[in-house]
Amino acid sequence: SYELTQPPSVSVSPGQTARITCSGDALPKKFAYWYRQKSGQAPVLVIYEDTKRPSGIPERFSGSTSGTMATLTISGAQVEDEADYFCYSMDISGNQGVFGGGTKLTVL
Amino acid sequence: QITLEESGPALVKPTQTLTLTCTFSGFSLRTTGVHVTWIRQPPGKALEWLAVIHWNDDTRYTPSLFNRVSITTDTSKNQIVLTITHLDPMDTATYYCAHSRGTREFDYWGQGTLVTVSA
Repeated sequence: SYELTQPPSVSVSPGQTARITCSGDALPKKFAYWYRQKSGQAPVLVIYEDTKRPSGIPERFSGSTSGTMATLTISGAQVEDEADYFCYSMDISGNQGVFGGGTKLTVL
Repeated sequence: QITLEESGPALVKPTQTLTLTCTFSGFSLRTTGVHVTWIRQPPGKALEWLAVIHWNDDTRYTPSLFNRVSITTDTSKNQIVLTITHLDPMDTATYYCAHSRGTREFDYWGQGTLVTVSA
């Protein structure tokens, strides 16, 4: 079955740039999405269609793709950005959705 | 304003059937491009995509549960129902339903409902 691979954890100091990667063979042909999940809460969409940011999401959040890798970048990460981040995409057939294993972002 | 709310039993026994309901407002499932997806998350683990129903009644399921899961809609009640048969303790998870339209995936989520499978 199709898989998306994320690093288990990323750690940065406040004000630094955090980058979280997501790799998958179908990413050159399927959109990547990113969700932020704080403890005990439902996920929130932060990036859709590879690079687009929903209203209400701070400008420091951005998305990019290159080949089989999608990247979520948080420029000037803040303590409040600490959360689990999940990438999402579809398999090549477009019939099944898949989430990555999640990345725990620590900002301290 | 789009809202979704999951409801169902908090505790079920192994081998039983789980029925969860997603009640939504602020959109119509008959609008072109709209779809609702069920997603679950075992405690401390990753999100898992389970099943989707589209505006045209097309449905898709995760292969890992293909023979045990079904998704249906009651448009008159603005509800989506997820059914999983032959429950196992590994089905213990928080279950979410989420709204999407076109390629804007999961832009609205319910708060989730925790289901524990235990004897």
